[in-house]
This record gives sequence, structure tokens and C-alpha cells, in this order.
Amino acid sequence: GENVEQHPSTLSVQEGDSAVIKCTYSDSASNYFPWYKQELGKRPQLIIDIRSNVGEKKDQRIAVTLNKTAKHFSLHITETQPEDSAVYFCAAPPGNANSGYALNFGKGTSLLVTP
Amino acid sequence: DGGITQSPKYLFRKEGQNVTLSCEQNLNHDAMYWYRQDPGQGLRLIYYSQIVNDFQKGDIAEGYSVSREKKESFPLTVTSAQKNPTAFYLCASSIATTVNTEAFFGQGTRLTVV
Repeated sequence: GENVEQHPSTLSVQEGDSAVIKCTYSDSASNYFPWYKQELGKRPQLIIDIRSNVGEKKDQRIAVTLNKTAKHFSLHITETQPEDSAVYFCAAPPGNANSGYALNFGKGTSLLVTP
Repeated sequence: DGGITQSPKYLFRKEGQNVTLSCEQNLNHDAMYWYRQDPGQGLRLIYYSQIVNDFQKGDIAEGYSVSREKKESFPLTVTSAQKNPTAFYLCASSIATTVNTEAFFGQGTRLTVV
């Protein structure tokens, strides 16, 4: 099955700096890569996703890059703000639909943005 | 609020008891999932269902059971065979026509064994 690894497990940045979180995956047939943000005690919510036909996608201060050859994708947050503090998860589904559509998640990155 | 509802929010269980966690969605999604979340472990898949009356084991199915009698509902039973059930449980749903789809999460149930 799909194996997703995520680094770092914790990240502390000063307000205004950039934050980068990286993930690798094992199934070369995977073609959808979402990022979820989970605030303390709340549900994970999708913040951005990328499909394998593009290499980069941006949404205001958030961007995701994908390198299919190397099987890794990254989340970039620029001009970080204290409200960006949360746990971020990357995920990937199995490449074969016969294995179901369940996302496999990384172990998460706890991001702390200090004023 | 998201269209997927879990209940209860908090649940306490005595050792040796079975408990059932509820998950209901009104998004008309075919696929539903149960994940377990422990600190530092990410989200681990317990069971998933791609269609009514069908479900498959995930990575950590031992000690859990599910049913999918209705499209809207996917309850999870934590049985007494689950050795360490204290965790945060998340239910999710998605369109099942392709793997390129967003999963929507419920607000979670925090289960504590007392």
C-alpha cells in the first residue's frame, strides 16, 4: 500500500518567516496530494491539494509543489501568522482504485508561529 | 457545518465494554472512512466503505467492527478486544468515483477508557 512520510514533526518559525513541510510517498501511481490543517481539538480541513498533471499550485500565502519523479511534495507557507499555528498533514491515496480511495496520511507537522 | 456529523463528542467506556460511535453524512457521498488519531501517529485507517453493504479493513482493524446498511451512516463499534482504545476517532466521507477527491471529516469523538 501507499506509505507517506512527513518531515519535520515539529517546526517553529517567527511571524513573517516562511515554513516548508515535506512529504514523500511510495506508490508511483498516486496522482492526488492534499494537505490538511488541524487546529487543536478540531477536525482536519483541506487547505490545498495538487494533482499529478501540475507541478505547483498557489493559493494566496500557501503553495504546494510536486516532484513526481522523486515522489515528493511540499507545502510552503509564506508570511506566516500566529493563526497558522496548527498541525499539518499531507496525504496520498493508493494509485490503484481497486485498493479503495482511502487517503494515507503522514504523521503530521506541528507548526508554531511565534509573534 | 461540513455535512458530516459524529456523535458523541466525548465518550467514556469501562474496560470490557463495547461502544458504538456514530457517523452520519448528508453529502450523498458513496465512500466513508474511519480513522484513529493518536499523538504523533497521524491518522491511521481503521475501516472504509466504498458502497452500501460493503466495507474493507484498513491498517488497524483489529478490535473494531463496522456496518454500512445505509449510504448516510457508517457506525464504528469499538469492542472489548481492542487493547488500547483511548484515542480520537475521526470519520470522513468522499465521492467514490475517482481517487482524486477531497475527504471531508467529522468533528471527531474522543474515547476514553476508564
